[in-house]
Amino acid sequence: EIVLTQSPGILSVSPGERATLSCRASQSVSNYLAWYQQKPGQAPRLVIYAASFRATGIPDRFSGSGSGTDFTLTISRLEPEDFAVYLCHQYLGSPDTFGPGTKVDI
Amino acid sequence: QVQLQESGPGLVKPSETLSLTCTISGTSISRHNWNWIRQSAGKGLEWIGRMFINRNTNYSPSLKSRVTMSGDTSKNQFSLRLSSVTATDTAVYYCASGDSFDHWGQGILVTVSS
Repeated sequence: EIVLTQSPGILSVSPGERATLSCRASQSVSNYLAWYQQKPGQAPRLVIYAASFRATGIPDRFSGSGSGTDFTLTISRLEPEDFAVYLCHQYLGSPDTFGPGTKVDI
Repeated sequence: QVQLQESGPGLVKPSETLSLTCTISGTSISRHNWNWIRQSAGKGLEWIGRMFINRNTNYSPSLKSRVTMSGDTSKNQFSLRLSSVTATDTAVYYCASGDSFDHWGQGILVTVSS
């Protein structure tokens, strides 16, 4: 099973600042990596798929990069609605696995 | 607009079978792969399995012996059965579409308790 680790666990930032989140896979997942945003009491929402493609309706302040084992989600200028938990997910190896999440906090 | 809605009992007794249905609107069950995912406080997000367009299935090895997924084209629904449940199966259960989960249901809390 491919293990995903995310860092940092908590990222404390202010609105308008840049946030950089990391996801590392225990073996290569090529570009089969997605990022989700989850707010309390809500289902996750797809933000990035195939490592670097924004999902429908996601603003361009969100960007994803990386391939193989190291991936980054960048939020260029944090808006108040961006404060949430972000999870990465690999869908190359079976079973699909998720990272533990990074909480983006004020 | 694709919408997914999970339904089923919110309380299941230990050793019994959990049965959930995902009702799909805005698209056809025959056009996408479909997934069940669960989330518990102790284990985070856990992928349960996937049903492919051709109706083949792939289950998580940790749950494979207890899971069955199926689809009903006439009702545009996708179902999960998880047998022999224990307290560790208590979680919010989600259905989601695709390989990268582009649409999710709102989730349903299932508690396993006598």
